[in-house]
Amino acid sequence: EAGVAQSPRYKIIEKRQSVAFWCNPISGHATLYWYQQILGQGPKLLIQFQNNGVVDDSQLPKDRFSAERLKGVDSTLKIQPAKLEDSAVYLCASSLWPTGDTEAFFGQGTRLTVV
Amino acid sequence: AQKVTQAQTEISVVEKEDVTLDCVYETRDTTYYLFWYKQPPSGELVFLIRRNSFDEQNEISGRYSWNFQKSTSSFNFTITASQVVDSAVYFCALSAVNTGNQFYFGTGTSLTVIP
Repeated sequence: EAGVAQSPRYKIIEKRQSVAFWCNPISGHATLYWYQQILGQGPKLLIQFQNNGVVDDSQLPKDRFSAERLKGVDSTLKIQPAKLEDSAVYLCASSLWPTGDTEAFFGQGTRLTVV
Repeated sequence: AQKVTQAQTEISVVEKEDVTLDCVYETRDTTYYLFWYKQPPSGELVFLIRRNSFDEQNEISGRYSWNFQKSTSSFNFTITASQVVDSAVYFCALSAVNTGNQFYFGTGTSLTVIP
């Protein structure tokens, strides 16, 4: 079974530029998450989708971050314009359903450096 | 609010030693789930175990064992006879029905196994 795919693996941009990350979850997984992991910290949820609807985006900085999950499969996360503090690893995860009695599977992440 | 505390930032052990990683959680929910994930240098979070709040049985899987104690709100993880391949960052996480089942991660414990 293929895992969660993310691209690109690495990205370096200048502040105020825009960037987009892509995620392809495990086939059949209805729930998709985007997490931000700052160096030395645990992942923090940015947004959670159930199929193509948003379940929780309370911690997404909506003035600069946006995400969509078209057709309930792939998802993209965009940052525009980027700030220095956005430097982090962005992890995508998916699970069969949103209840806690199932584990989430994570991709390898995209390491973003904003200079 | 949900909170996970991993007080041990970094641990170093010599190969074949046993090591215990501590995890303390806070939640007001009666139904919740606890997880351990491993993050090797490649960056992908690898699922290790899931426990629900109604199941306090300890679990052993090969060299790994987990001790869940509701009385002390702890979910500790022990690696027996550690190996160099165990070197990674380990995260404890909590999810609860009343907070949309999103994962709340601790700050992680970096384990280094010295050959």
